[in-house]
Amino acid sequence: LAKTTQPISMDSYEGQEVNITCSHNNIATNDYITWYQQFPSQGPRFIIQGYKTKVTNEVASLFIPADRKSSTLSLPRVSLSDTAVYYCLVGGSSGGYQKVTFGTGTKLQVIP
Amino acid sequence: SAVISQKPSRDICQRGTSLTIQCQVDSQVTMMFWYRQQPGQSLTLIATANQGSEATYESGFVIDKFPISRPNLTFSTLTVSNMSPEDSSIYLCSVQTLAGEGDTQYFGPGTRLTVL
Repeated sequence: LAKTTQPISMDSYEGQEVNITCSHNNIATNDYITWYQQFPSQGPRFIIQGYKTKVTNEVASLFIPADRKSSTLSLPRVSLSDTAVYYCLVGGSSGGYQKVTFGTGTKLQVIP
Repeated sequence: SAVISQKPSRDICQRGTSLTIQCQVDSQVTMMFWYRQQPGQSLTLIATANQGSEATYESGFVIDKFPISRPNLTFSTLTVSNMSPEDSSIYLCSVQTLAGEGDTQYFGPGTRLTVL
């Protein structure tokens, strides 16, 4: 299982764009990159998933360089409600059920 | 996506007793997982539960302490046996489904357990 490394914490002001980078040097060819968001006293919630290049949905964008050894979650114009822990995971190739390992996550604090 | 519910949402238990946590999914899924999340920490996988077979436990977790049942494709239980204060934690179940291309896990709301 590929290990991930993220910053432990980040602070941002409301309205700013936040970029959280995750390193995964040992990512396997079939691995996908998935980001989860967790609020206190709740289970993690799926945000976005990608394999390569750029993926965008209504919540966030995910940038993956060609070598796939890192990825960046981009949250546009954060609000106070985006204060949460964000986890980057790699694994879970399509068609094969694989367990994934949660790293330490990045605690994002949005400041008014 | 999948909608997952857990019962109970929280409980306070006495040392030496056992608690069974239920996980119900609104659709049939092959793989279900049980995690533990201690205060301020990340999630740690306890075991993988596949319907019709014995659960597979991670290092540091044993069946006698955390027996798991998986009677059908929408339901699972985790029992925390002979509890001690060190078992105080949030216990989460999740299911793995295919979401577009890659496998994705969907999590229940968790069960907050306090052992006195």
